[in-house]
Amino acid sequence: DTAVSQTPKYLVTQMGNDKSIKCEQNLGHDTMYWYKQDSKKFLKIMFSYNNKELIINETVPNRFSPKSPDKAHLNLHINSLELGDSAVYFCASSHGKGGIEKLFFGSGTQLSVL
Amino acid sequence: GQQLNQSPQSMFIQEGEDVSMNCTSSSIFNTWLWYKQDPGEGPVLLIALYKAGELTSNGRLTAQFGITRKDSFLNISASIPSDVGIYFCAGPGSNYKLTFGKGTLLTVNP
Repeated sequence: DTAVSQTPKYLVTQMGNDKSIKCEQNLGHDTMYWYKQDSKKFLKIMFSYNNKELIINETVPNRFSPKSPDKAHLNLHINSLELGDSAVYFCASSHGKGGIEKLFFGSGTQLSVL
Repeated sequence: GQQLNQSPQSMFIQEGEDVSMNCTSSSIFNTWLWYKQDPGEGPVLLIALYKAGELTSNGRLTAQFGITRKDSFLNISASIPSDVGIYFCAGPGSNYKLTFGKGTLLTVNP
């Protein structure tokens, strides 16, 4: 009964491939996020959805496309993967829209692009 | 945009020692949050601070919201091996974004 679960935990793929990471939360939260953590452990927000509506869209390549079929799910699809996309991607959720909200994170997806 | 400077970047300490780390902001914050990331896991909220001067404890952890509202401090007393991990400060940025510091990597030698 993990609160925020994301799959897969590890993803190894070749450059140019398309891949998806899935995220689900069972906390009843209204807002979900995708964060990217680079090799220096810096956490940077990518996207945020509130009740299936996109509210944060940081400057990320348009090869990255989030999709929220319902407020409990936020998936991340990445087209034409590049070496620089290698990182750990974290899904998170919160009750409200963010800012001072407590974030609950998934355990991360380590993406390695070869 | 807002920047958070966290120091030190890393710490190597012996079990039983006390630890201090801090975070400074380029602008005033109304909230300070401290998260811990265990190896292979996502960050977990440790302490939230909502008022300048506030001092809040969570077990052996104590955090303070600086009077200037531009800094915050986290102290860990009598460290144990399971304290290892990365500690992040965070504060509310513009447009619902939570801004994270670059983290302090803590290693505890048993």
